[in-house]
Amino acid sequence: GENVEQHPSTLSVQEGDSAVIKCTYSDSASNYFPWYKQELGKRPQLIIDIRSNVGEKKDQRIAVTLNKTAKHFSLHITETQPEDSAVYFCAASMSNFGNEKLTFGTGTRLTIIP
Amino acid sequence: NAGVTQTPKFQVLKTGQSMTLQCAQDMNHEYMSWYRQDPGMGLRLIHYSVGAGITDQGEVPNGYNVSRSTTEDFPLRLLSAAPSQTSVYFCASSYSGGGDTEAFFGQGTRLTVV
Repeated sequence: GENVEQHPSTLSVQEGDSAVIKCTYSDSASNYFPWYKQELGKRPQLIIDIRSNVGEKKDQRIAVTLNKTAKHFSLHITETQPEDSAVYFCAASMSNFGNEKLTFGTGTRLTIIP
Repeated sequence: NAGVTQTPKFQVLKTGQSMTLQCAQDMNHEYMSWYRQDPGMGLRLIHYSVGAGITDQGEVPNGYNVSRSTTEDFPLRLLSAAPSQTSVYFCASSYSGGGDTEAFFGQGTRLTVV
């Protein structure tokens, strides 16, 4: 089955600086790569996703890049703000229709230092 | 729209007891899944369903049963609770028609088995 590795497990950055979280996956059939943000005691919420036919996607301060050959994808957050502090999870799935089988990384706890 | 609703939010069980975690969605999503979240391990798939009457096992199915009699509901049953099943459980649903296939999560059930 699919295996997703995520690094680093913790990350602290100064407010205003950029943060990068990296994930690798094992199954070349995976074609959908979402990123979820989870605040303490809350549910995971999708912040951005990318499909395997796209190399990069951006949404305001958040961007995701995908390298299919190397089987890795990364989350980039620019101009970090205190509200970016949370746990971030990457995931992968072979999604032709829905997303019933997501394989998650182990999470990155991001702390923004004011 | 309520989205994905899980009940209860908190539960304490004694070893050997059984219980059912409820999950309901009002988005007419065909795909539904159950995950457990343990510290340092991300979210792991327990069982999933691609439609009423169709279920399958995920990564960690032992000790859990599911059924899907309606599109809206996807209950998770613990047959004989064990301390190893202490975890936070999340239900998720997603659209199966292609295009926007974001998985939406419920607010979680925190289960403690003593």
